[in-house]
Amino acid sequence: DAGVIQSPRHEVTEMGQEVTLRCKPISGHNSLFWYRQTMMRGLELLIYFNNNVPIDDSGMPEDRFSAKMPNASFSTLKIQPSEPRDSAVYFCASSRDRGLYGYTFGSGTRLTVV
Amino acid sequence: GNSVTQMEGPVTLSEEAFLTINCTYTATGYPSLFWYVQYPGEGLQLLLKATKADDKGSNKGFEATYRKETTSFHLEKGSVQVSDSAVYFCALSDRGETSGSRLTFGEGTQLTVNP
Repeated sequence: DAGVIQSPRHEVTEMGQEVTLRCKPISGHNSLFWYRQTMMRGLELLIYFNNNVPIDDSGMPEDRFSAKMPNASFSTLKIQPSEPRDSAVYFCASSRDRGLYGYTFGSGTRLTVV
Repeated sequence: GNSVTQMEGPVTLSEEAFLTINCTYTATGYPSLFWYVQYPGEGLQLLLKATKADDKGSNKGFEATYRKETTSFHLEKGSVQVSDSAVYFCALSDRGETSGSRLTFGEGTQLTVNP
């Protein structure tokens, strides 16, 4: 299995632009999670899906952030418009068994907003 | 709510030294407990886990025992190597009643092992 695949690995964009991050979970995993990692705040859960349905988006910082999971093999996290304080590493993770036995993380997307 | 507290880093050791990274948690019910490791420029990797009290998780020479009475899950390794240099995260899964469980992470402990 190729693991959780995220794209792009690196993204540099100008403030105000739209940014879309992509994630392909492991086949057969039915839960998907988006995290953000910064030095100041550590790892933050933004949103998670179970069977393609958003379960909890209380971690999404504001309306500029949105996430979708149109099918079991694909999810996007969109930021529109982007701001410099959104600069971070964004991780996608997937799991089965409702995450009780741990997650598999992707390699992350390092986002820089200038 | 759930929370995980890890010993503050950074931790610097010499090769072959003994490692302990403390982790305590607060949770309702009976969570599953995990240690994840993050190497530079990479995502988090599951290192070991324990799903019930008194379970011992182990992998690559690392061990941690689920202690319900002290609400702890301390990570240990008898002899560290330079290649163990990474950030280590303690985490718990809340076995939520709703669909899907979430992981709550500690803040991470940076470990550097010098030759």
